[in-house]
Amino acid sequence: QSVLTQPPSASGTPGQRVTISCSGSSSNIGSKTVNWYQQLPGTAPKLLIYTNNQRPSGVPDRFSGSKSGTSASLAISGLQSEDEADYYCAAWDVSLNGWTFGGGTKLAVL
Amino acid sequence: EVQLVESGGGLVQPGGSLRLSCAASGFTFSSSWMHWVRQAPGKRLVWVSHINYDGSDIIHADSVKGRFTISRDNAKNTLFLQMNGLRVEDTAVYYCVRGGPLGTNWGQGTLVTVSS
Repeated sequence: QSVLTQPPSASGTPGQRVTISCSGSSSNIGSKTVNWYQQLPGTAPKLLIYTNNQRPSGVPDRFSGSKSGTSASLAISGLQSEDEADYYCAAWDVSLNGWTFGGGTKLAVL
Repeated sequence: EVQLVESGGGLVQPGGSLRLSCAASGFTFSSSWMHWVRQAPGKRLVWVSHINYDGSDIIHADSVKGRFTISRDNAKNTLFLQMNGLRVEDTAVYYCVRGGPLGTNWGQGTLVTVSS
């Protein structure tokens, strides 16, 4: 069972905007920043968003992150078929004294 | 181009040992925090351990504490994970990950299978 809770699945049609939530607690999201990762089928994960809302070089601005209290969200606008992947949130947990990942959300582009 | 290339995975019996290596290139290895993250087949990502620039700050997840040891050789741009007392539940793909922030770069992963 993950300390960070994500919906197991999400879906949208091409061009739509979808959001993926990540719920935590005061020992992780509530006091630390959140990263998001994209894992395409059969590949290693890739950093998508760091420090709640920052995009690494090369990540399209269709991807955005936000945080409020003990929850965070990843938004994907202008959904494309190549966005079909697993998405994970992560944050440092001060109680665990380690990084914790969400359970992952499988995004389907219908 | 940044490259992280893991090696050392394989099939091992419960209770056995393995040493994973990660050869880094394309960035200043000695200035980077490094991590190991694992993923069991079809399961979520799980952080295993991290090490700071010079090895003076090391943390392991509770699930591997006392069994796994992370280390680094900055002269050889290489990260290690010594895994002892392996259990069936340690079966996973192990990724070498660059920090600053966590996940800045990922290796392709090396599969560790613990089975009798």
